[in-house]
Amino acid sequence: SQKIEQNSEALNIQEGKTATLTCNYTNYSPAYLQWYRQDPGRGPVFLLLIRENEKEKRKERLKVTFDTTLKQSLFHITASQPADSATYLCALKLTGGGNKLTFGTGTQLKVEL
Amino acid sequence: NAGVTQTPKFRILKIGQSMTLQCTQDMNHNYMYWYRQDPGMGLKLIYYSVGAGITDKGEVPNGYNVSRSTTEDFPLRLELAAPSQTSVYFCASTPGASGNAQYFGPGTRLTVT
Repeated sequence: SQKIEQNSEALNIQEGKTATLTCNYTNYSPAYLQWYRQDPGRGPVFLLLIRENEKEKRKERLKVTFDTTLKQSLFHITASQPADSATYLCALKLTGGGNKLTFGTGTQLKVEL
Repeated sequence: NAGVTQTPKFRILKIGQSMTLQCTQDMNHNYMYWYRQDPGMGLKLIYYSVGAGITDKGEVPNGYNVSRSTTEDFPLRLELAAPSQTSVYFCASTPGASGNAQYFGPGTRLTVT
């Protein structure tokens, strides 16, 4: 069956360090992958998109990699700040199938002073 | 632009009652979606629409109905509410071209007792 896995355990890191979150998937052939941020009590907010033919994307302190051989995406936040504390969701868009996304369960990031 | 708005923010229903969750977007987006998010779980797609008059089922449509009479509005109807429908409901929209971000509303927290 198709599955998207994100680490369910919270990731705690110190301010200024790089946070790395993982998104693994099985039995999918995604056209692209998106990352969203979700704060408590709010809807997800789009951060980055990476397509199947791209290896890496950057936006300010954010970097996403996409390895379709390993079936894995890594999401990095450099020089992390307490304001980066949130839950981060990955979402896959399958080839074909309209514009529907399948979401992972998310990983909670806590950046401590 | 207000973006995606949802009403109500909170609602408590008794088993067997019905209600409609409202969703409106002012971005002229063609595609709209309804998701539910249970604690510690990812977003599950209930229904989606690719334009006015066109709707289709997502992953978990049972117990719900939708309609899309205008581009702006995409209401979700719960008939005969059940405790299993206790969840947070998010509406989202996207312009429709592949790769666009989905824009989410603030959510409706529904409890069925």
